[in-house]
Amino acid sequence: SAVISQKPSRDICQRGTSLTIQCQVDSQVTMMFWYRQQPGQSLTLIATANQGSEATYESGFVIDKFPISRPNLTFSTLTVSNMSPEDSSIYLCSAQLATSTDTQYFGPGTRLTVL
Amino acid sequence: QKEVEQDPGPLSVPEGAIVSLNCTYSNSAFQYFMWYRQYSRKGPELLMYTYSSGNKEDGRFTAQVDKSSKYISLFIRDSQPSDSATYLCALYNFNKFYFGSGTKLNVKP
Repeated sequence: SAVISQKPSRDICQRGTSLTIQCQVDSQVTMMFWYRQQPGQSLTLIATANQGSEATYESGFVIDKFPISRPNLTFSTLTVSNMSPEDSSIYLCSAQLATSTDTQYFGPGTRLTVL
Repeated sequence: QKEVEQDPGPLSVPEGAIVSLNCTYSNSAFQYFMWYRQYSRKGPELLMYTYSSGNKEDGRFTAQVDKSSKYISLFIRDSQPSDSATYLCALYNFNKFYFGSGTKLNVKP
């Protein structure tokens, strides 16, 4: 298994501002992912964070709105840009480990509220 | 058609009951099957992992895969109030994960 930490754990932000969420994994990682989860809903994949190259975004998500960095194998950031109340959600990072590439481990999530 | 379907519940049972949580899937190529448990305001936690068909047991939890029916199940024996959470099934194939919508379980003392 792995320990995945996220910062911040929660935040309340004003409309039009940006928030950067950090994700750190304590094990060797192959893939890292960012998800959004609305209250009571399942997981929606935002993008796959690629180390050393641009992230791969899912349909409906764009780089200008959700820029992602992954400067090394175990660390990634997701920025939620120009926020609106519709961006209020839980943002989760996850990782596939080098030792078990057919499962994912999740961070604790970042609860974002946009006023 | 969604790749994986899961009844959202909620499912409410008395303490000590046997719980059965289920998912169906459409692509027979899936080989890896997982169950995650998510407590309120927490990230999903990997609970069970199964490769191909058959059963896997871990304490009070049993994961079952029936590839011929494209049906996966999670059984919880002697359910406890601490089992109250949302349970998500997940499938993996060709570098892509598919998650069910989650079933919310409430175990009443």
